[in-house]
Amino acid sequence: EPEVTQTPSHQVTQMGQEVILRCVPISNHLYFYWYRQILGQKVEFLVSFYNNEISEKSEIFDDQFSVERPDGSNFTLKIRSTKLEDSAMYFCASSPRDRVDDEQFFGPGTRLTVL
Amino acid sequence: AQKVTQAQTEISVVEKEDVTLDCVYETRDTTYYLFWYKQPPSGELVFLIRRNSFDEQNEISGRYSWNFQKSTSSFNFTITASQVVDSAVYFCALSEADSGGYQKVTFGTGTKLQVIP
Repeated sequence: EPEVTQTPSHQVTQMGQEVILRCVPISNHLYFYWYRQILGQKVEFLVSFYNNEISEKSEIFDDQFSVERPDGSNFTLKIRSTKLEDSAMYFCASSPRDRVDDEQFFGPGTRLTVL
Repeated sequence: AQKVTQAQTEISVVEKEDVTLDCVYETRDTTYYLFWYKQPPSGELVFLIRRNSFDEQNEISGRYSWNFQKSTSSFNFTITASQVVDSAVYFCALSEADSGGYQKVTFGTGTKLQVIP
């Protein structure tokens, strides 16, 4: 069964460094998402992406964040200058369409630790 | 106001007991979807169920059952004869269309379930 994959599973970085989190969505899906979960808290929407542009973003997704689909398979989340409060689990998701009745399939997550 | 409210922060039960996890949601949409996800200690999100707003039939899958009631805007999840492996955080989520017509998924704060052997 096709699944969303994410690499790395755990990333440790120093405050102020740039990180790139990678996701490979399910191959025939068109809509891509990033979510964040700070330890012990709920999962929060960051951004949705379609047709090579952001379709929706939350207030969390500020200028430090960017997303990109550099090739036909990867979908990346870049944090330019990490802060301690960026430490969280980051989940990528994809769906065939962006209709409300389409399920989003989640990847296993990348745990980001900022020291 | 919270769109998805899971009032129970933590629940502990003894193995083999039944347990119900509550979820109350808020939306103005007539078409929406509700989900339950399980997050074990390993951290991944495991999809359990999706329910659309037009289908109020209760669902049973093995030891899991879900009770969807539009009249009270609730989508509760019951585990029958709980097992230690059920210990996890369970999230309820709501999928609706935002002002631009795009899908928007909102998660509740989660309920941590501990099943004691």
